[in-house]
Amino acid sequence: NAGVTQTPKFQVLKTGQSMTLQCAQDMNHEYMSWYRQDPGMGLRLIHYSVGAGITDQGEVPNGYNVSRSTTEDFPLRLLSAAPSQTSVYFCASSYLGTGKHEQYFGPGTRLTVT
Amino acid sequence: DAKTTQPPSMDCAEGRAANLPCNHSTISGNEYVYWYRQIHSQGPQYIIHGLKNNETNEMASLIITEDRKSSTLILPHATLRDTAVYYCIVRVVGNTPLVFGKGTRLSVIA
Repeated sequence: NAGVTQTPKFQVLKTGQSMTLQCAQDMNHEYMSWYRQDPGMGLRLIHYSVGAGITDQGEVPNGYNVSRSTTEDFPLRLLSAAPSQTSVYFCASSYLGTGKHEQYFGPGTRLTVT
Repeated sequence: DAKTTQPPSMDCAEGRAANLPCNHSTISGNEYVYWYRQIHSQGPQYIIHGLKNNETNEMASLIITEDRKSSTLILPHATLRDTAVYYCIVRVVGNTPLVFGKGTRLSVIA
């Protein structure tokens, strides 16, 4: 299993540009989520999904869109990039059945908006 | 807001036990205590979780007080590779998101 993969690893955008951060998992997990982490801070939840076709907002959803058309993929779209969106973005997934509901995190995408 | 309180930083000598405290005085009866850690700038990694009984796995032990208002994560023989930020999180098991606070930065010193 590759686990949770994220692409790209690094990205530089100009203010106003749009882009999509990709996240994929091969563990057949129902639950997927996106976090951002600013320097010296904890992770903050952007959006999450409990299954294909179902998404919900987290703590900091403004400026981001998500969709979940398949179980495996959960892309995060930046509509019009702003310098305040400079951050490291982590995707995570977990199983929703019985068990410990351990969340598996990807390696992150480091985004700089100039 | 995070429902837990942790010291911002701690030091531990290599080879000694690292005891990381967490206060969660408002925990509900159906909320579990989870611990994750983040090494440098990698994605967080699950360590252990528990409801009310003490738990142990290959990475750590989790001691939860009888009133469940606080807990301690124990790394029995800390190594330099255990240097990381450790997050204590309370949540209902299921589709509820993980809410991260600022965690405790543990520095293991040779």
